[in-house]
Amino acid sequence: DAKTTQPPSMDCAEGRAANLPCNHSTISGNEYVYWYRQIHSQGPQYIIHGLKNNETNEMASLIITEDRKSSTLILPHATLRDTAVYYCIGPFIYNQGGKLIFGQGTELSVKP
Amino acid sequence: DVKVTQSSRYLVKRTGEKVFLECVQDMDHENMFWYRQDPGLGLRLIYFSYDVKMKEKGDIPEGYSVSREKKERFSLILESASTSQTSMYLCASSARDRGHQPQHFGDGTRLSIL
Repeated sequence: DAKTTQPPSMDCAEGRAANLPCNHSTISGNEYVYWYRQIHSQGPQYIIHGLKNNETNEMASLIITEDRKSSTLILPHATLRDTAVYYCIGPFIYNQGGKLIFGQGTELSVKP
Repeated sequence: DVKVTQSSRYLVKRTGEKVFLECVQDMDHENMFWYRQDPGLGLRLIYFSYDVKMKEKGDIPEGYSVSREKKERFSLILESASTSQTSMYLCASSARDRGHQPQHFGDGTRLSIL
């Protein structure tokens, strides 16, 4: 299975940008990188995904390095409600219908 | 908006009981999944389904079965519940292009087997 590496925890001040890094050095050329988050006692929430180009949606931006070995999720103006565990997901395994492999994630604490 | 609904947030059952966990999605998705999530073990895939009446085993199918009689509904069945099946159960769905379509999750069912 492809592996992803994330820092275990990060803090961010409310209103500032939160930049969450992820290393995925074993990713291959046609495999996407996905980001999810999980707020305590809730199911994981999809945030964004990308292949090569940077992506932006209403929740976040995703910056993928040119060699695709790492990416950064950016929450432009973090709020207290963004406190959660953020998961950078390795590629789907096609022969198992797209199994998600969650690592330990980064626990983001947004502080007033 | 995407909606995956699991029938119960919290459930308490006894050892040996047959337990049904229900999941409904309103997005007309072809793929549906059942995971369990335990501290330190992450998400583990139990079963998934590509289409009505189709099912595939995931990593940990033992002690579980599934049913998909309608496209929008995917049920997880614990044939004879055991304490080792105490866990958070998560249902997810995704559109057919499973390599590039995100999975959307319900809020989970926290199941306790006594």
